Amino acid sequence: DTGVSQDPRHKITKRGQNVTFRCDPISEHNRLYWYRQTLGQGPEFLTYFQNEAQLEKSRLLSDRFSAERPKGSFSTLEIQRTEQGDSAMYLCASSRYTGELFFGEGSRLTVL
Amino acid sequence: DQQVKQNSPSLSVQEGRISILNCDYTNSMFDYFLWYKKYPAEGPTFLISISSIKDKNEDGRFTVFLNKSAKHLSLHIVPSQPGDSAVYFCAASTPNYGGSQGNLIFGKGTKLSVKP
Repeated sequence: DTGVSQDPRHKITKRGQNVTFRCDPISEHNRLYWYRQTLGQGPEFLTYFQNEAQLEKSRLLSDRFSAERPKGSFSTLEIQRTEQGDSAMYLCASSRYTGELFFGEGSRLTVL
Repeated sequence: DQQVKQNSPSLSVQEGRISILNCDYTNSMFDYFLWYKKYPAEGPTFLISISSIKDKNEDGRFTVFLNKSAKHLSLHIVPSQPGDSAVYFCAASTPNYGGSQGNLIFGKGTKLSVKP
C-alpha cells in the first residue's frame, strides 16, 4: 500500500497524559499536512511541512501541540497535557508541491 | 467566521437522478476549489477541483461549476449511484508560497444518500 499511513488509528487516554501520532506520507510527496476534524465539522488545518521545514501553523495549534518532520520523511504530532477538548480525528495528508492532498485514514483521539 | 459554507447538512436523491451539492465562500482571495468525498472511518479522498480562472470542470459523472461573482460553487453528480453515498466536503485555498496550494479551508460537509 503506497498511500498515507497513520498510527495509531485510535488512542484513548486520560486527561493530562501526552500522546503522539505518527504519519508516513506518500514517498515522493514533499508536503505534509496535519488537520483536525471534530464531529459535524470539516477538517481544520493545523500545520504543514515542506520537506523538513514547518512553513505554517494555525492558531488552533496551541503551545501544547508540537509537530516535527525530521529528515523530511515521516512526521509526528505530539499533544502534551491532553484536555477533553482535544478529542478529535487527527488527519494527515501529503501532496507534491502542487496538486490535491491525499489523506490518511486518521488517528482518532479520545480523552477521558 | 466560516469562510467556506455548505448550508445543507444532508441530501437524499434517487438512484439515476442528478445530485447537486452546493458551497458558498466569503474570501475573494480563494483561487482554487476542491471537492472531497469521505466514507465513514476513512480519510477524505479527492474528487475534483477547479481553478478560479475556469467556470466549469468535468470528470466523468462529476462536474463542478464555479460562479465567482456569486462566490458559489456546486458539484453535480449524474447519474447518481448508491456508491456515491458519502459526506462531501467543499474546500478552498489561496495562493501561498509560490502559487501552490497552501492550506485548505473546508466546509462542514453535506451527507449525500443515494437511494436504490
